[in-house]
Amino acid sequence: DGGITQSPKYLFRKEGQNVTLSCEQNLNHDAMYWYRQDPGQGLRLIYYSQIVNDFQKGDIAEGYSVSREKKESFPLTVTSAQKNPTAFYLCASSAPLRGHQPQHFGDGTRLSIL
Amino acid sequence: DAKTTQPNSMESNEEEPVHLPCNHSTISGTDYIHWYRQLPSQGPEYVIHGLTSNVNNRMASLAIAEDRKSSTLILHRATLRDAAVYYCILRGASGSRLTFGEGTQLTVNP
Repeated sequence: DGGITQSPKYLFRKEGQNVTLSCEQNLNHDAMYWYRQDPGQGLRLIYYSQIVNDFQKGDIAEGYSVSREKKESFPLTVTSAQKNPTAFYLCASSAPLRGHQPQHFGDGTRLSIL
Repeated sequence: DAKTTQPNSMESNEEEPVHLPCNHSTISGTDYIHWYRQLPSQGPEYVIHGLTSNVNNRMASLAIAEDRKSSTLILHRATLRDAAVYYCILRGASGSRLTFGEGTQLTVNP
């Protein structure tokens, strides 16, 4: 089945450590997104990418980095500069950026601090 | 980005219709109205979207006010599996982002 796969489901980070969250899609979508969700809150956009080798900052990009070397992959690195990384991270994809295109989401990665 | 306003929570009984309201008084002429829902510990799931006309699909119906300043998501017969947080979101024509509010927590009583 086509969809978005996020891994791992749970991740623990030590102080000062960078961690990378994986996101893979087989929907042949051009656009991909990373969101962060804190308990009881809506989603906030971290980064998005419209095409390979291109990405833009969202609303809360500080302390995060991304790459888009392949159409199907959009990994997110949570760096040590992100002082409050504990959250639920969601990856999404959509067909080319148009207002009517829905986004398809993965099942998320829950990141916690050790 | 234009904002939406939704009630924090709503309750329904199983097999009854549910009407989830959303106000978006600052909507622009090119904004699409999207609805997503999210179950605990899962990613959001697309439900439906529309621009000006009412829309129906297998999951729900979307009724859009004539002035487009409000809309209503209609679940025709609620089931226990419909218990989720429902988000009403405006998406511009360029579609670069979805701006999520806190949504409406729908509780379905058996």
